[in-house]
Amino acid sequence: ETGVTQSPTHLIKTRGQQVTLRCSSQSGHNTVSWYQQALGQGPQFIFQYYREEENGRGNFPPRFSGLQFPNYSSELNVNALELDDSALYLCASSLLTSSSTDTQYFGPGTRLTVL
Amino acid sequence: AQKVTQAQTEISVVEKEDVTLDCVYETRDTTYYLFWYKQPPSGELVFLIRRNSFDEQNEISGRYSWNFQKSTSSFNFTITASQVVDSAVYFCALSEAAMGSQGNLIFGKGTKLSVKP
Repeated sequence: ETGVTQSPTHLIKTRGQQVTLRCSSQSGHNTVSWYQQALGQGPQFIFQYYREEENGRGNFPPRFSGLQFPNYSSELNVNALELDDSALYLCASSLLTSSSTDTQYFGPGTRLTVL
Repeated sequence: AQKVTQAQTEISVVEKEDVTLDCVYETRDTTYYLFWYKQPPSGELVFLIRRNSFDEQNEISGRYSWNFQKSTSSFNFTITASQVVDSAVYFCALSEAAMGSQGNLIFGKGTKLSVKP
């Protein structure tokens, strides 16, 4: 096990609602990345947080937003949910230093269904 | 643009057979990292290996081995004597090595491996 936890495990929402997903990093890690994985596809990068600030973003609209807290845990917020937001949301934690790119370790994911 | 292609969508083998999963990547960076992750039905992505672009040595870990060839931009993964527990979706991923930034992972679409008893 990686030590990365996510909650909730499953979630069902209706179109137009808002949702918050949570992630707790592995001990010693300072960076959290979020990915969206649609059924039958590879994960796609949403954004990354380092030192409580966004440190890179993929091709996702502004209604996808996030937070990182001083204890390095993180939240992913999605507003105005659309049917296409139905997916597995994966959180990954890693240690970012000034000289290296570290391996990202993933949590078990949150499966979001939008009706 | 960076891209990862896993041309094999699904592979089915019988236990104890050897199987190779193909991965071809595209990048203009000279420094990059390549990864393989395993995703069992539970959904969690399990890290298997990371290689940097300057290390072309093949690696073996138990029944797993990886063949990295920059000349063909490939990073193939072989499972020797496959077992039922190897059944999963396997993802190849690419990450640029940007200073001060945890490069995001670019994943292929995955190869679903089914190992039958």
